[in-house]
Amino acid sequence: QQQVKQSPQSLIVQKGGISIINCAYENTAFDYFPWYQQFPGKGPALLIAIRPDVSEKKEGRFTISFNKSAKQFSLHIMDSQPGDSATYFCAASMRGGQNFVFGPGTRLSVLP
Amino acid sequence: GAVVSQHPSWVICKSGTSVKIECRSLDFQATTMFWYRQFPKQSLMLMATSNEGSKATYEQGVEKDKFLINHASLTLSTLTVTSAHPEDSSFYICSAIRQGNQPQHFGDGTRLSIL
Repeated sequence: QQQVKQSPQSLIVQKGGISIINCAYENTAFDYFPWYQQFPGKGPALLIAIRPDVSEKKEGRFTISFNKSAKQFSLHIMDSQPGDSATYFCAASMRGGQNFVFGPGTRLSVLP
Repeated sequence: GAVVSQHPSWVICKSGTSVKIECRSLDFQATTMFWYRQFPKQSLMLMATSNEGSKATYEQGVEKDKFLINHASLTLSTLTVTSAHPEDSSFYICSAIRQGNQPQHFGDGTRLSIL
């Protein structure tokens, strides 16, 4: 029940295309859903996050869509660029940052 | 804001030595810090949760005597890998959260190589 499932495991997108990564969770006590971007040899960096009281959040080219009833959320990267090539992790946590659970990650490659 | 600094970024040492990794929150007070281990092409595995002034809480399967964690102040937590062996070689990452607030802010990790 603490798991966060993430798909696809890897994704190849052409420059300018839309990258879509999906995550699903079971525990309805989760109330915070961030996405992290990690480049090789670096720590994860917060990209965008959402709480379950909204269905969508957009920051620049990055959008989170949240479906509370389905217990799913997704990351959309519009106009994908080669510089977006990285590993993306979705995560879920409970209030206060405890019980923080990461998805297994998606390796995104954006072709020039 | 919300910068977490981790030091060293890379360390190579001989089997049997102890290695200390520092994690500092540079511009905020972190009541809780987390230590993760990451193997190549895998997700982050939580090792322990560290609260300032109290003993760390270790995840199941993580040896507390092997991985010593000290969170002595609101801006500093340390992880000491004692008597390190080649199987301890990995990428160790810390993170911190502000008091009662999210998200976790991560350091840039420490690559530990034990020869």
